[in-house]
Amino acid sequence: DAKTTQPPSMDCAEGRAANLPCNHSTISGNEYVYWYRQIHSQGPQYIIHGLKNNETNEMASLIITEDRKSSTLILPHATLRDTAVYYCIVRADARGSQGNLIFGKGTKLSVKP
Amino acid sequence: GAVVSQHPSRVICKSGTSVKIECRSLDFQATTMFWYRQFPKQSLMLMATSNEGSKATYEQGVEKDKFLINHASLTLSTLTVTSAHPEDSSFYICSSQKEGTDTQYFGPGTRLTVL
Repeated sequence: DAKTTQPPSMDCAEGRAANLPCNHSTISGNEYVYWYRQIHSQGPQYIIHGLKNNETNEMASLIITEDRKSSTLILPHATLRDTAVYYCIVRADARGSQGNLIFGKGTKLSVKP
Repeated sequence: GAVVSQHPSRVICKSGTSVKIECRSLDFQATTMFWYRQFPKQSLMLMATSNEGSKATYEQGVEKDKFLINHASLTLSTLTVTSAHPEDSSFYICSSQKEGTDTQYFGPGTRLTVL
């Protein structure tokens, strides 16, 4: 079972920041928080991941609370192409066959003009 | 970098035939590849994990004799759906774990329709 809880859907106006929350209250000390998104009929796309520090890359920012029980993915300027299902996944560091990704239902983000 | 391709992107076949799906990591080496399937309006479900040069590990409920996985090189894994039936119709997606990292990169998926 997925170890995360996300709202099933969210709307965001084009050009505004999209803030997607995720609860992972049972996260273990060695587990990372990963974010992927899946645009309709495509494979998931990696966005970002982090352990305890906030992270930023060219796609998004990841804010992890100090107790690590929740996080927020921020798309700073959402566009229509960001409409997708966003998955928050916790997973132990795995440089081998362990640490499979377990996908929950995710959040369906709809960016509206 | 970190591009994963799948071929074919879409396949329609008759019941009872076998279908092979290829997954390639184009610009990196992957010691571990994963196969998922996704039924309509559902999330991805892991089918099996394969390491280069060894037998795949299948998830509970996935028949290893029906879904044959071969991971012959660090850049190629194949999934063969043997004696396909309409209930095998699904979206099959592979992912490759970049060697030396813990990040999986996904292919674009293969839509299988069994008539």
